[in-house]
Amino acid sequence: QITLKESGPTVVKPTQTLTLTCSFSGFSLSTTGLGVAWVRQPPGKALEWLALLYWNGDRRYSPCLESRLTITRDTSTPTDQVVLTMTDMDPVDTATYYCVYRKLGALDYWGQGILVTVSS
Amino acid sequence: QSALTQPASVSGSPGQSITISCTATGSDIGDYKYVSWYQQHPGKAPKLMIYEVSNRPSGISDRFSGSKSGNTASLTISGLQAEDEADYYCSSYTSISRRFVFGMGTKVTVL
Repeated sequence: QITLKESGPTVVKPTQTLTLTCSFSGFSLSTTGLGVAWVRQPPGKALEWLALLYWNGDRRYSPCLESRLTITRDTSTPTDQVVLTMTDMDPVDTATYYCVYRKLGALDYWGQGILVTVSS
Repeated sequence: QSALTQPASVSGSPGQSITISCTATGSDIGDYKYVSWYQQHPGKAPKLMIYEVSNRPSGISDRFSGSKSGNTASLTISGLQAEDEADYYCSSYTSISRRFVFGMGTKVTVL
């Protein structure tokens, strides 16, 4: 059974850096072809794809946000995790952030999401 | 970069069929073969309904079907039910850029 769960701060101040962690189970990110993505959704608005980490370490980012995003794999913990950092947070970045399992061209399994509010 | 255009809303009566379109534009849509559709109920995470244009994941009702003609993909919901009322998003993955893009979503209302 594949599960994913997001964790991190629920409130950050403008200009701060957001760090979110995705803890997952039921698959290995070392398996050829797989990936873990981040998607966000501002309140009442559409989904927005942010970043994707592939099994082989390759990374892809949304062109609009590439300069602010970093996606990495954390191998220092007993459980497999993927970390997303987003710099220079702004109130417009207030959104629910989802961690998602990716296989081929689809986002198959989604975490429950974490609402991050940017406010001073 | 590519963009996906969906209608803002579609409605239908119980038992009817409705179709949501998703038109791709842009320089890197490629062959537009990795189109997927997601259903999202209020306050819930999105759920994969269709992948690779027309394939249903295990457990998804066969009332949901996908198709594509040129740069326009479509999601059809047959035998519309009250539980189908939700937001629906199309997405495209391009093997050239190895990125995803989402449409702006379509709100389905069951009258």
